[in-house]
Amino acid sequence: DTAVSQTPKYLVTQMGNDKSIKCEQNLGHDTMYWYKQDSKKFLKIMFSYNNKELIINETVPNRFSPKSPDKAHLNLHINSLELGDSAVYFCASSQGFSRHSGNTIYFGEGSWLTVV
Amino acid sequence: DAKTTQPTSMDCAEGRAANLPCNHSTISGNEYVYWYRQIHSQGPQYIIHGLKNNETNEMASLIITEDRKSSTLILPHATLRDTAVYYCIVRGNTGNQFYFGTGTSLTVIP
Repeated sequence: DTAVSQTPKYLVTQMGNDKSIKCEQNLGHDTMYWYKQDSKKFLKIMFSYNNKELIINETVPNRFSPKSPDKAHLNLHINSLELGDSAVYFCASSQGFSRHSGNTIYFGEGSWLTVV
Repeated sequence: DAKTTQPTSMDCAEGRAANLPCNHSTISGNEYVYWYRQIHSQGPQYIIHGLKNNETNEMASLIITEDRKSSTLILPHATLRDTAVYYCIVRGNTGNQFYFGTGTSLTVIP
């Protein structure tokens, strides 16, 4: 069973469209994240949710709106897509929200978004 | 946030130990060191983490210096499937944030 699964894996869309990426984790974790990996391979955190509440929003444009209907799901909706949004988006989860705890983050396989 | 510095790339002969260094001189006393790897077109995979003591699991060993300013990930017997980018990460100071840097691209050579 896949621990953190995200769909779609590949998405090609035109500028200006609105699209969503879905994420589900079956690990029973209470914290979920979205990361963006750009063309230079840097992996940057976008959002973090703990118990369905937004904890971290790393200066992401408000065209990006995460939604967490329950602890096992964190979806990413993107409005008015731009060329610069082309990247790989990773969903992840962990148990607990503590700066110093040794809890591990588990990543999904990624969603390749190409805006044309 | 504590930053990490890693070599851009390394090669290792198949079957030999791969030693990947990481500097994290600004790490604070309670921050953990994590290692992840990313194989092409896949999500980051957890390898190991530690605080002060050396750690070992089925994948690798983690050696942390006494002053905690650097660490080394050891893959004892590298295989071709270990070719990947390896990230050394220190926990962010605002909670569950993992800041990935450039990582080390490890190539295992037959």
